[in-house]
Amino acid sequence: NAGVTQTPKFQVLKTGQSMTLQCAQDMNHNSMYWYRQDPGMGLRLIYYSASEGTTDKGEVPNGYNVSRLNKREFSLRLESAAPSQTSVYFCASESNTEAFFGQGTRLTVV
Amino acid sequence: DAKTTQPPSMDCAEGRAANLPCNHSTISGNEYVYWYRQIHSQGPQYIIHGLKNNETNEMASLIITEDRKSSTLILPHATLRDTAVYYCIVRFPRGGSQGNLIFGKGTKLSVKP
Repeated sequence: NAGVTQTPKFQVLKTGQSMTLQCAQDMNHNSMYWYRQDPGMGLRLIYYSASEGTTDKGEVPNGYNVSRLNKREFSLRLESAAPSQTSVYFCASESNTEAFFGQGTRLTVV
Repeated sequence: DAKTTQPPSMDCAEGRAANLPCNHSTISGNEYVYWYRQIHSQGPQYIIHGLKNNETNEMASLIITEDRKSSTLILPHATLRDTAVYYCIVRFPRGGSQGNLIFGKGTKLSVKP
């Protein structure tokens, strides 16, 4: 039982490049989330998905797109990366009582 | 506007109880109080949640005041491994637009030997 798996763990992008952060959960949860965390700050919600096929904006959605193609996977896409998107990204899935988080993706945009 | 107010930092001696306060004066009748913690750049970890009754599990106890406007997370015997940022979150349960999991700035708890 792997829980929430994020890939990659580390990534360096050049300004303007695109990439997709992958997240998969094996707990059959409906709700999934993407957050970013900047140094010394709390987590900020980017997008969330209440169920397969539905997505909604969170606190800081600009510059990102998401896709919830099936119940297991919720991906986050940066179409044109900017240095301001340098951050640690966390994915989470949630049961009726608690959320489970992945180990994070450390993204640097140069 | 933030739904919760927490002190930015607290210290606790190892082996003593750590009492982390949270104010949530605008909590509505059906909103729960959740606590998570984040240990040094790992993903956050669920601790406990409650509606109005006090709750206890193997990790901690949650005391909610009768008017539900504030709560306290209690770690009964803090260890060095409890050093973390603790987040108090008020929300409706389950996912969906009503039940977003929004984190504030939390309280950085430092457990000292």
